Amino acid sequence: DAKTTQPNSMESNEEEPVHLPCNHSTISGTDYIHWYRQLPSQGPEYVIHGLTSNVNNRMASLAIAEDRKSSTLILHRATLRDAAVYYCILRDGPGYNQGGKLIFGQGTELSVKP
Amino acid sequence: DAGVTQSPTHLIKTRGQQVTLRCSPKSGHDTVSWYQQALGQGPQFIFQYYEEEERQRGNFPDRFSGHQFPNYSSELNVNALLLGDSALYLCASSSLHRDWSYEQYFGPGTRLTVT
Repeated sequence: DAKTTQPNSMESNEEEPVHLPCNHSTISGTDYIHWYRQLPSQGPEYVIHGLTSNVNNRMASLAIAEDRKSSTLILHRATLRDAAVYYCILRDGPGYNQGGKLIFGQGTELSVKP
Repeated sequence: DAGVTQSPTHLIKTRGQQVTLRCSPKSGHDTVSWYQQALGQGPQFIFQYYEEEERQRGNFPDRFSGHQFPNYSSELNVNALLLGDSALYLCASSSLHRDWSYEQYFGPGTRLTVT
């Protein structure tokens, strides 16, 4: 299983952008980059995913390096509710024989200051 | 839509006992995965069920077993409990065929304490 590396913790101020980095130097051509986050006392929730191109959704943006060996999750305006552990995960692409387990690392604990 | 539900929310057991945890997937989902999350760690994959069969399994001993019912709900059974089995047990549901991105929806978890 491909491995990801993230900083253990980061701090942000409320209403400022946050850039959460992830290194995945052993990524394979079929691996999708997924981000999940886990708020305190809750199960993880899906944030965003991508393959090669940058992606945007209502929660965040995902910037993927051209060589795909790293990516950055961008929260455009952090709120107190965004304080959580953010996990960067590599998964095989679509297809019946893929799409199974998620391999979580330690994640990045994001704290947001008012 | 109730989302993924799990029961019970908390459980205290004694070493050597057996425990059964339950999960109901999100409406429209046919696949259930189970994860174990020790304090301060990321979730670890236990196994996944689809069409009432174990489809994938992580690095967990045979003491951990599961079942999926025709209505797609699932149970996780752990036999001969050890102190190290104390953790948050998470259930996640997804749809193998409908949702190509295989986004998994997680329940709130069951907190198991083994004394």
